[in-house]
Amino acid sequence: DAGVIQSPRHEVTEMGQEVTLRCKPISGHNSLFWYRQTMMRGLELLIYFNNNVPIDDSGMPEDRFSAKMPNASFSTLKIQPSEPRDSAVYFCASRAGMNTGELFFGEGSRLTVL
Amino acid sequence: AQKVTQAQTEISVVEKEDVTLDCVYETRDTTYYLFWYKQPPSGELVFLIRRNSFDEQNEISGRYSWNFQKSTSSFNFTITASQVVDSAVYFCALSEAGAGNQFYFGTGTSLTVIP
Repeated sequence: DAGVIQSPRHEVTEMGQEVTLRCKPISGHNSLFWYRQTMMRGLELLIYFNNNVPIDDSGMPEDRFSAKMPNASFSTLKIQPSEPRDSAVYFCASRAGMNTGELFFGEGSRLTVL
Repeated sequence: AQKVTQAQTEISVVEKEDVTLDCVYETRDTTYYLFWYKQPPSGELVFLIRRNSFDEQNEISGRYSWNFQKSTSSFNFTITASQVVDSAVYFCALSEAGAGNQFYFGTGTSLTVIP
């Protein structure tokens, strides 16, 4: 079975540009998580969805960040406008069921904002 | 308050030494799950183990072993006869049954195995 698929793997953009990161969770998984990882702040939860519904977005840094999950097989994380401090690796993860199972992570999207 | 504490930020050992990575968690739930993940230099996050709160049996998988002690709220990870390929950042994590699917990660321990 395919794992969690993220795209793009690498993105370099200029400050002020819109960035869209994409994630396809493992088929059958009903929970999806977006994390951000930086050297300074470590692994931070941005938002997670259960059955396509956003449950907790308290980790989203500010209004420049938005996430959607229009269906069970696709999610996006959008940054508009991007800033250099948004440079990080963004991970998507999915999970089968509530609370019990492990998270399966994608390979991450490395974002550099110049 | 931190739900998962990994007090060791960085550890260095010489190859073939044993090393233990500490993890202390905090929860009021009686049903919860504990996890360890490995993040090698290539960057991906690799699931290693899951433990539920009702199973305190220690587990061994090759050179890896895990010691779960509810009395001290700890879930420590030991690598026996460490190898260079074990060099990575290791994360401990907690999931609570009543928490709406929240998943709490520790800050990670960076392990360097010196040849």
